[in-house]
Amino acid sequence: EVEVVESGGGLVQPGGSLRLSCAASGFSFAGYAMTWVRQAPGKGLEWVLGISGGGTSTYYADSVKGRFTISRDNSKHTVNLQMNSLRAEDTAVYYCAKGSNYYAYYYYLDVWGKGTTVTVS
Amino acid sequence: DIVMTQTPLSLSVTPGQPASISCKSSQSLLHSDGKTYLDWYLHKPGQSPQLLIHEVSNRFSGVPDRFSGSGSGTDFTLKISRVEAEDVGVYYCMQSKQLPGTFGGGTKVEIK
Repeated sequence: EVEVVESGGGLVQPGGSLRLSCAASGFSFAGYAMTWVRQAPGKGLEWVLGISGGGTSTYYADSVKGRFTISRDNSKHTVNLQMNSLRAEDTAVYYCAKGSNYYAYYYYLDVWGKGTTVTVS
Repeated sequence: DIVMTQTPLSLSVTPGQPASISCKSSQSLLHSDGKTYLDWYLHKPGQSPQLLIHEVSNRFSGVPDRFSGSGSGTDFTLKISRVEAEDVGVYYCMQSKQLPGTFGGGTKVEIK
């Protein structure tokens, strides 16, 4: 079964750091882009970061550029999201999603995790 | 960034009746490869978002055929031919032609 499972969420103070992880299984991990999407309380979905299958190309929304870093370990089938300089507006449920191709663009998100909650307060 | 605008914000539908959601993009989503990178997702209460339609009109695996997508360029529509109770949730369109990907604001569908 194709699956992605997020972990690492929690409560952190403004200005603090947190590291989220996403463990993938059931597919050829290195062949697919991975993406983080978040949903703030009472708000809609926001595409936040994407990484290509090989990990050499990364893409960021302006709202997190310079503060968040996405990386992946293809040997462990994991994607990581390092969040620094956290702000109250980063409070959200963070979803990890598998892309339909290698690139993290011109794609769709076909497998989603259940999400992990980050609260900055 | 490409701005995605959905209407209406919410929809209350009698079971068995049709529903339609509009999504407009600030730029054409037609790529030079001939594909249009517009997808539809459903976020059911208490669940993670799920893919319904990709590239305007292609139903994802397991999605009932009462869901259909259409449109071109900057104007797109998701239609549910006969709404069922399990269709409640928030529907989002998303473009992936230009980075960053962007979602519409969402349309909440409720059952009357």
